[in-house]
Amino acid sequence: EDKVVQSPLSLVVHEGDTVTLNCSYEVTNFRSLLWYKQEKKAPTFLFMLTSSGIEKKSGRLSSILDKKELFSILNITATQTGDSAIYLCAVEVPQAGTALIFGKGTTLSVSS
Amino acid sequence: DTAVSQTPKYLVTQMGNDKSIKCEQNLGHDTMYWYKQDSKKFLKIMFSYNNKELIINETVPNRFSPKSPDKAHLNLHINSLELGDSAVYFCASSPYRGATPNYGYTFGSGTRLTVV
Repeated sequence: EDKVVQSPLSLVVHEGDTVTLNCSYEVTNFRSLLWYKQEKKAPTFLFMLTSSGIEKKSGRLSSILDKKELFSILNITATQTGDSAIYLCAVEVPQAGTALIFGKGTTLSVSS
Repeated sequence: DTAVSQTPKYLVTQMGNDKSIKCEQNLGHDTMYWYKQDSKKFLKIMFSYNNKELIINETVPNRFSPKSPDKAHLNLHINSLELGDSAVYFCASSPYRGATPNYGYTFGSGTRLTVV
């Protein structure tokens, strides 16, 4: 069975800290890995990764994929209280079209 | 202009009732999905439709019936609601070939269903 495992499940940090969120996966077929941020409503898209070793970056957030070791990390530097959210990792699998298999998420709390 | 819109945003209903949730996307995507997010925030796929045709039907009770009148709309009808159906239901869409580098899958804002 396809599965995506995120760690840690929750994390509390102070403003200004740097955090690393982990995502490992075991799937029969892989198309891409996606990171989402979920605050109160819809998951909002952060990154899509398809190739190993190529860092995607957006402001203080960055992510990288290792297809050999089957994991990805999401880094957030100089955290702010607005970074408090659930971070979701999902693997896109070809399945009569495609589908996203989600991990259980990492809940990040940033205190001031 | 909302890309993926769902109605209603909140739904409180009694056990045994039948209810529907509607979803519309204006992105021109071919594929639409229903995901269920439980109380522990775990998102799991329920159904996927490509251009009005059901292509993914995960292990979901047959009280749940999706319907796609056209490729821009995907509705979810739930019969005989149970307490365990309480969750947030998200609609999403993507091009047929899957997630795009700039947008991934696009999610609606969710429908919080509470069964009492």
